[in-house]
Formats: sequence, C-alpha cells, structure tokens
Amino acid sequence: GAVVSQHPSRVICKSGTSVKIECRSLDFQATTMFWYRQFPKKSLMLMATSNEGSKATYEQGVEKDKFLINHASLTLSTLTVTSAHPEDSSFYICSALTVAGGRPSTDTQYFGPGTRLTVL
Amino acid sequence: SQKIEQNSEALNIQEGKTATLTCNYTNYSPAYLQWYRQDPGRGPVFLLLIRENEKEKRKERLKVTFDTTLKQSLFHITASQPADSATYLCALEGRRALTFGSGTRLQVQP
Repeated sequence: GAVVSQHPSRVICKSGTSVKIECRSLDFQATTMFWYRQFPKKSLMLMATSNEGSKATYEQGVEKDKFLINHASLTLSTLTVTSAHPEDSSFYICSALTVAGGRPSTDTQYFGPGTRLTVL
Repeated sequence: SQKIEQNSEALNIQEGKTATLTCNYTNYSPAYLQWYRQDPGRGPVFLLLIRENEKEKRKERLKVTFDTTLKQSLFHITASQPADSATYLCALEGRRALTFGSGTRLQVQP
C-alpha cells in the first residue's frame, strides 16, 4: 500500500513553455503533499507544502507565481512550472502524507518516483 | 542554522562486509530521524525510522543507531550485497516537512 505516482516521469520542453507535473496517491487519501526539487548529487530541497483545498505554502526563495501548485482533491496535486527556463531543469519529487493516529504526521511520508524536467 | 551532514564521498566496500554510514546534525532537536534509499533517477524509498527515545533499531540486515547527545545517527548494512549499491539519505523532521541530508553513495563491489 501507500503508493505515490508521478506523471510524466520525464519531460523535455522549450524555454518559455509551461509544464505540468501530476502527483497522485493511488491507494490512500493525502490531505498534505510536498514538492521537492533535487539537483545532481545534491539533497532534496523542499519547495512547497500543498494542502487539499487551500493555498500552498512555499519555502523561502521559491517563486509562487513560477511554481503553481494545485491540490484539488485528496489524491492529486499538480505542480506547474510556468515560463520554464534552462535553470528550472531539475528532478522534481512529490511526497504524500498518510494519516496516523487521526492526524497527518511527517513520519508516514511516501515519495513519488520523480519527474526529470529538461528545459532547452 | 540547522544543518545535516552526511559524508559526501562515496563509500566503497566489498560484498559481505558491513557498511556504516554517518549522519550528523546541528541545531536540531528532532523527535525522530529517518533513513531512505535513493537509486539514480528515482524517488527516495523509506527504510527505517528511529525515535529520540530509541537507541537502536533493526530491520533485517539494516541497523540504525541514534545518539541525541552526539547528534549523530549511524546506519549499518550487514552482509552487504551489490544490490545494496545506492545513495542513502538521512532525514529529520523539519518545520513543515522532512529535511534531508545530501546523501552518501554506497558502492558494494562483488
């Protein structure tokens, strides 16, 4: 159980275009999902926390107008990279919280397989 | 500021030996610490969680220790196999989500 999928797994786009990445919890409901990005041989950096039915909370330094997050249902969060540029090329990973003891808890977090974005 | 340090150099060991990876942290008082495995081009996969009141935790060939005085966790893989080759990340609970170390790449030679 507790499977998280991401789509697409890999995307190549031209500079200036927008790209949407989907994150789905397949067999559980996730009120909270997280979006990370990872550069080669670097750590995962939290970009934003996505809560179902409310606005995402962005980490310092992450442009909310550039990285649009929508969490429209309990099983789906989307990240849209708007007007993508080559420096946005990265590995984007989402994770979802299961609910433990009746409340979300960071100790039960499941990660998607990641999306490799390349902006030409 | 809060900092998590893992040995950024790759760890190369022979098959059958025990691999020991280190995670040090500063300016944290985490209630728990987690270890993940990440293969190239893939998302992290959860391995073990150890809480602040636990000194040691085991799962099959894996063992994790947690020393809150030293602010250090050790991750051991006994009887290592080439299939254990991957990057291993430690993670601490952050303000809103997990905060990850940069990971240590383990290479097990046959």
